[in-house]
Amino acid sequence: QITLEESGPTLVRPTQTLTLTCTFSGFSLSTDGEGVGWIRQPPGKALEWLALIYWDDDNRYWPSLKTRLTITKDTSKNQVVLTMTNMDPVDTATYYCAHRSSGLLTGGVFDAWGHGTMVTVSS
Amino acid sequence: DIVMTQSPDSLAVTLGERATITCKSSQSVRSSSTGNNYLAWYQQKPGQPPKLLIYWASTRDSGVPDRFSGSGSGTDFTLTISSLQAEDVAVYYCQQYYSDKYTFGQGTRLEIK
Repeated sequence: QITLEESGPTLVRPTQTLTLTCTFSGFSLSTDGEGVGWIRQPPGKALEWLALIYWDDDNRYWPSLKTRLTITKDTSKNQVVLTMTNMDPVDTATYYCAHRSSGLLTGGVFDAWGHGTMVTVSS
Repeated sequence: DIVMTQSPDSLAVTLGERATITCKSSQSVRSSSTGNNYLAWYQQKPGQPPKLLIYWASTRDSGVPDRFSGSGSGTDFTLTISSLQAEDVAVYYCQQYYSDKYTFGQGTRLEIK
């Protein structure tokens, strides 16, 4: 069974850097085909994909946020970390991490999600 | 970037009746080499994370009731709930994973009439 859990601050000030950690179990990010993504959801709005890291350290970012985002992994700790710089009130959202299934099985959908962590950006 | 557009934005259906949600992509999400459509559907209930329902446009994920079905190819896709149950009240999202810049639709809110 795959589980993921997000952790990080609930409140950040404008211009600060947000650091979120996704701790997972039930799979290894050193296994061929595995990946973990971050998706956010502003209150009452739609899902927005942010970033993805693959088992081989390859990564992808949403283009308009690419300069602000960094995704890294620590395979030994089963963790993925997302940092987002220069936070703004419009970045207020619930941030989810999700397991990207093997491309061979599904093509790479998000088949397991964490419960999400709400981050408010306010002075 | 591939833009995903769902319709309608909200939908009210009588219990036991059919619910249909459509999703259109701004470019084809079908692989010419495999014929697979890189299109998924998710269900999100209030206060919960999204749950994968369907991938490859029409393959139900494990444990998903068979009243949920997906169809379509290329740029036009449909999610159908054949007989609406009370527990199906949720927001439904389509997502393309053809591009490595994943994108979601804006969501369709499904309610009971």
